[in-house]
Amino acid sequence: EVQLLESGGGLVQPGGSLRLSCAASGFTFSSYAMSWVRQAPGKGLQWVSVFSGSGSSTHYADSVKGRFTISRDNSKNTVYLEMNSLRAEDTAVYYCAKTYYYDSSGNHNYDYWGQGTLVTVSS
Amino acid sequence: QSVLTQPPSVSGAPGQRVTISCTGSSSNIGAGYDVHWYQQLPGTAPKLLIFGNTNRPSGVPDRFSGSKSGTSASLAITGLQAEDEADYYCQSYDSGLSSVVFGGGTKLTVL
Repeated sequence: EVQLLESGGGLVQPGGSLRLSCAASGFTFSSYAMSWVRQAPGKGLQWVSVFSGSGSSTHYADSVKGRFTISRDNSKNTVYLEMNSLRAEDTAVYYCAKTYYYDSSGNHNYDYWGQGTLVTVSS
Repeated sequence: QSVLTQPPSVSGAPGQRVTISCTGSSSNIGAGYDVHWYQQLPGTAPKLLIFGNTNRPSGVPDRFSGSKSGTSASLAITGLQAEDEADYYCQSYDSGLSSVVFGGGTKLTVL
């Protein structure tokens, strides 16, 4: 059974930093690209970033480029999202998602999602 | 403003059929990129409902079906049940933005 467990969310001041983690199990982690998708309170889904399964290809949404960094540790079956220079508009539930399809342009979709971790950016 | 346009809400009585549209453009759906659909029950994470325009993952009832034509796609739900009440999102890829894109979501109410 595929399981994705996010952690690391919390309250942070504007301009601050936070690192999210997503521990995966139930599939061959290194074979699949992993992604982060966020959902602001009462709003829709917004893709944030994706890391390829093989190699080290990454893609970011324009809204987080230069501020967020995605990484993964295949030995720990874990994907991370380092978030810097946080803004109020980054407040959201952040979901970790396993990709079903992924290509080198960054096109991908998701077959499993974690339960999410809430990030609140406020003074 | 979402790149993919969905109606904010749809509704139907138990047993009826409803459809949810997802309208894109020549840089996403119209460019041939696949459309995927996700169901988000209240207070839970999204769940894959349809992938590759028309395909259902195992475990998804055949009451759910997807289609795609031109720059649009649709999700149809037949034999509506109370448990179908949820938010539904379409997703594709936009080559102009070089980004995965989602529709704004549609809230389905079962009357």
